[in-house]
Amino acid sequence: AQTVTQSQPEMSVQEAETVTLSCTYDTSESDYYLFWYKQPPSRQMILVIRQEAYKQQNATENRFSVNFQKAAKSFSLKISDSQLGDAAMYFCAYRSAATQGGSEKLVFGKGTKLTVNP
Amino acid sequence: SAVISQKPSRDICQRGTSLTIQCQVDSQVTMMFWYRQQPGQSLTLIATANQGSEATYESGFVIDKFPISRPNLTFSTLTVSNMSPEDSSIYLCSVEQDTDQETQYFGPGTRLLVL
Repeated sequence: AQTVTQSQPEMSVQEAETVTLSCTYDTSESDYYLFWYKQPPSRQMILVIRQEAYKQQNATENRFSVNFQKAAKSFSLKISDSQLGDAAMYFCAYRSAATQGGSEKLVFGKGTKLTVNP
Repeated sequence: SAVISQKPSRDICQRGTSLTIQCQVDSQVTMMFWYRQQPGQSLTLIATANQGSEATYESGFVIDKFPISRPNLTFSTLTVSNMSPEDSSIYLCSVEQDTDQETQYFGPGTRLLVL
């Protein structure tokens, strides 16, 4: 079974600075998807970014980018120019690809609470 | 992405009672999922609900406790039956859009407190 590990329960960053959240995962599959979700106090799970394992290029979405190291099974999230609205719980998640015949469910890490200081 | 709504947004219930949570999507989707998020914890999948078939439950979750309906491609319900304080959690539905498979979008969640 796949597992996702987020080793940083809490992180803090100064407004306008850059922060990196860590995520590692364990799988024997070669084709899969990785995600970062944000959960603010409103509890809505918001998709931040998605990475396909077959793509070597790291995904980016505006101020959010990932460092995907497939061999190391590492998937970190970098937030640039941090804003107060970035404060939230961030969850890393794994999903098998259909080609692997695996479940469609998302496997989540335990989350990292990000605080943004003004 | 799809717009997903859930009702109720929150509720306080007495032990032994049941609560039905509704999930409505603004477009037709094949795959719908129900997750539980216990206080301070991550999300755990309860079951996958596909229209026209029985829901598929994850290990540790049973139909008698969490019956699910999926009457059409835009709607699903999750019932939490015979509740106990241990059922106090946030319950979230999610969908995979047929035009954007492999990515799940979540509803706003239902916060349940069982006394």
